[in-house]
Formats: sequence, C-alpha cells, structure tokens
Amino acid sequence: QQQVKQSPQSLIVQKGGISIINCAYENTAFDYFPWYQQFPGKGPALLIAIRPDVSEKKEGRFTISFNKSAKQFSLHIMDSQPGDSATYFCAVRPDSNYQLIWGAGTKLIIKP
Amino acid sequence: DAGVTQSPTHLIKTRGQQVTLRCSPISGHKSVSWYQQVLGQGPQFIFQYYEKEERGRGNFPDRFSARQFPNYSSELNVNALLLGDSALYLCASNLAGGTYEQYFGPGTRLTVT
Repeated sequence: QQQVKQSPQSLIVQKGGISIINCAYENTAFDYFPWYQQFPGKGPALLIAIRPDVSEKKEGRFTISFNKSAKQFSLHIMDSQPGDSATYFCAVRPDSNYQLIWGAGTKLIIKP
Repeated sequence: DAGVTQSPTHLIKTRGQQVTLRCSPISGHKSVSWYQQVLGQGPQFIFQYYEKEERGRGNFPDRFSARQFPNYSSELNVNALLLGDSALYLCASNLAGGTYEQYFGPGTRLTVT
C-alpha cells in the first residue's frame, strides 16, 4: 500500500524562483519526516528533516512546512539555483524506528 | 573521512544466479541499512543491521539475506535472481541504528538479464 504520495512528479523552475514539493501521508503513526536530495549516480543525501511537534523548520534556503491535521508536509527551496537540479524524495518513519518509507520522487530542473 | 563505500559499482547477472553486494560504513558507524531503488521510484527498505544483529526487515522474499561483520561492514545476498531484481542497491550507515542521520553510499547497479 502506498503510504506516502509525493507531487509533482517533475518540476521546472526559473533560477531565483521558489520550488515547492509536496508529500501527503496516510498513517498518523509516523514520527519523523525527512527530505533527501539525489543527484544522478549518487546515493540520496539528507537535506532537512522535521518532527511532528513543530510546524516549520528552516535551514538556509530550504524550509519544511508541516501540517499535522492535513497529514501533509512540503519542501520549499527559496532562490532556486541550477545546482539544486536533482531528484528530491520525501520519507516518513513509522514508530518502528528502523525503516523509512519513501515517496516516488520529484525531478526538479532549475532553468538558468 | 571516507563516506559509505559500496562494491561493485555495476553488476550484470543472469536470471537464476546469485549475487553478493558489499558495503563499508563510515568509520565509527555501527549500523548498516540496505535499500532497493527501482528506476523512477523511491528506495524501499530491505534490512537494517546494528552491532551484527538484524534490527529490521522489509517486505522482501527470503531470497534476500544479509549479514554484518565484526568490522561493521555488510553483505547483501540475493539468490535465484529475477528480472525484477534489477535495481540500484543502496547501503546507508549511521551511528546507532534507526533512521536518523543516515548516510548513503553511491549504490550498486544490478542488471539481471
């Protein structure tokens, strides 16, 4: 069963613009919500993560917004740069603590 | 410091064969997790090992097995390969198990023909 739905599948943003990627989850028993960035030929790298007790977390140009009641969280990339072009994955962690359940990914292209 | 390393980088096998993939975690990390990433999809959890013991197993058949050695490196074995096993196999390590601060290797690309 698909527990994490990520959208859009692909996204093109102009340099300097805001990139927004969304994830919706189906189970309330998740307690950790990370975003990963993956470049071609590389493994995913942790970008930013949030716990459900806060509604927003910002690190540099990257912000996670979390809406617990709507079971949604999103990644905002401010002042998007060509170097941000990559595939982005959201993930959720069940209470079991040893695995992540991942979204299908969003391919982001930043046009110069 | 070296990151997570995986070998081999690429591998081509025939249906029915067996394959062993290897992973060396970041120095000091005691936990290794394995994920399968099919093209165009997110990674799917296969196993987690911590201190040489299996901590968790994902929804994969018994053809998949793994182990962790005293130096915390790990091997993933897949028997009786199917075409559907073609994927990027990712290894991630962290200090003490769980999912926080997992660092991923570049993966092993397995192609089954």
